[in-house]
Amino acid sequence: QSALTQPPSASGSPGQSVTISCTGTSNDVGAYNYVSWYQQYPGKAPKLIIYEVTKRPSGVPDRFSGSKSGNTASLTVSGLQAEDEADYYCSSYGDINNRWVFGGGSKLTVL
Amino acid sequence: EVQLVESGGGLVQPGGSLRLSCAASGFTFRNHGMNWARQAPGKGLEWISYIGGDGRAIYYAPSVKGRFTISRDNGENSLHLQMNSLRAEDTAVYYCARDFRWSQDYWGQGTLVTVSS
Repeated sequence: QSALTQPPSASGSPGQSVTISCTGTSNDVGAYNYVSWYQQYPGKAPKLIIYEVTKRPSGVPDRFSGSKSGNTASLTVSGLQAEDEADYYCSSYGDINNRWVFGGGSKLTVL
Repeated sequence: EVQLVESGGGLVQPGGSLRLSCAASGFTFRNHGMNWARQAPGKGLEWISYIGGDGRAIYYAPSVKGRFTISRDNGENSLHLQMNSLRAEDTAVYYCARDFRWSQDYWGQGTLVTVSS
């Protein structure tokens, strides 16, 4: 069982927006603004797309945005494109006993 | 260009040992903390260990604490993971990843570790 809870799947049509949630606790997501999101294609390494809740690394399209409210973080993908179909994982700083915790991943399908 | 290349994976029997390595290039290695994470077949990501840039700060996930040891050689720009007392549930693709602003910004391609008799 993953430390952070994500829906197993999400979907949307091209051009639409989709939001993926990531629920933790007051000890991880709720305690720190250190939530990050990763995109992973099958057989490939994860790619960082959001860090520190809302920031995008250079080269990541602004269609990807992050937010947080209480113990739940969210990733929104706007203007869905076929290439956005992938697995998405959230992560949060945890504590000294478990420095990083991940969600179980959400498979995004572009219909 | 930042590059991380893992090596050392393979098939090992339960109770056995394996040492993974990660060769880093394209950045000042000693200035960055480094992580190991893994992904079991068909499963999600799991962080397993972190080491600070100077090698002094070290953390482990509870699932590997006492069995795995992380280390680094800043002279060789390399990261290592010594894995002992391996179990079937340790079967996974193991990734090294660079620490960045409370996240991991570059990941290697991974190396597969299979624990089976």
